[in-house]
Amino acid sequence: NAGVTQTPKFQVLKTGQSMTLQCAQDMNHNSMYWYRQDPGMGLRLIYYSASEGTTDKGEVPNGYNVSRLNKREFSLRLESAAPSQTSVYFCASRGAPGRGGYTFGSGTRLTVV
Amino acid sequence: GIQVEQSPPDLILQEGANSTLRCNFSDSVNNLQWFHQNPWGQLINLFYIPSGTKQNGRLSATTVATERYSLLYISSSQTTDSGVYFCAVPNRDDKIIFGKGTRLHILP
Repeated sequence: NAGVTQTPKFQVLKTGQSMTLQCAQDMNHNSMYWYRQDPGMGLRLIYYSASEGTTDKGEVPNGYNVSRLNKREFSLRLESAAPSQTSVYFCASRGAPGRGGYTFGSGTRLTVV
Repeated sequence: GIQVEQSPPDLILQEGANSTLRCNFSDSVNNLQWFHQNPWGQLINLFYIPSGTKQNGRLSATTVATERYSLLYISSSQTTDSGVYFCAVPNRDDKIIFGKGTRLHILP
């Protein structure tokens, strides 16, 4: 099925460990996004990529890095995980403005202990 | 940047009741979406509705762009409608901004 695929679905890290969250879309969308969702906070934008080769910071970028590897893939990296990064992470993509809305992946539940 | 406010924050209804959820936004937009986050955490796209009215079964949505609000109507509520409903709009940099959501509980 066409859509946005995120891996892994669940992850537990120790403080200081690193990991990369993977995201891929097969809808030929230009824009891709990473969000985190915390209880009572809604979804907050971490980073986004308007097109292949470009990335930009969102509302809460500290502690994260991203890579837009190609048009399909947009990864999020935690270099040194902290308990404050315990959250649910969502990847999303969107086509050209005015040509439809956003499609979200199923999320990654990350716990940092 | 653009502000998105949703009301009410919480809503508890008996199965079969109707409800109206509201989303106000502080600037003109060319895109607005309603999402349902189910109890398992999945974000499901309900409507892409920058203006006008759309209907899908028991759900419908209306956006009045000139007055900067959108409404989501749920008729004949079912327990499977429970969850959190978000509206989202893009800011001037095409970043999606979400409201804080309306948490809906449908009681059997």
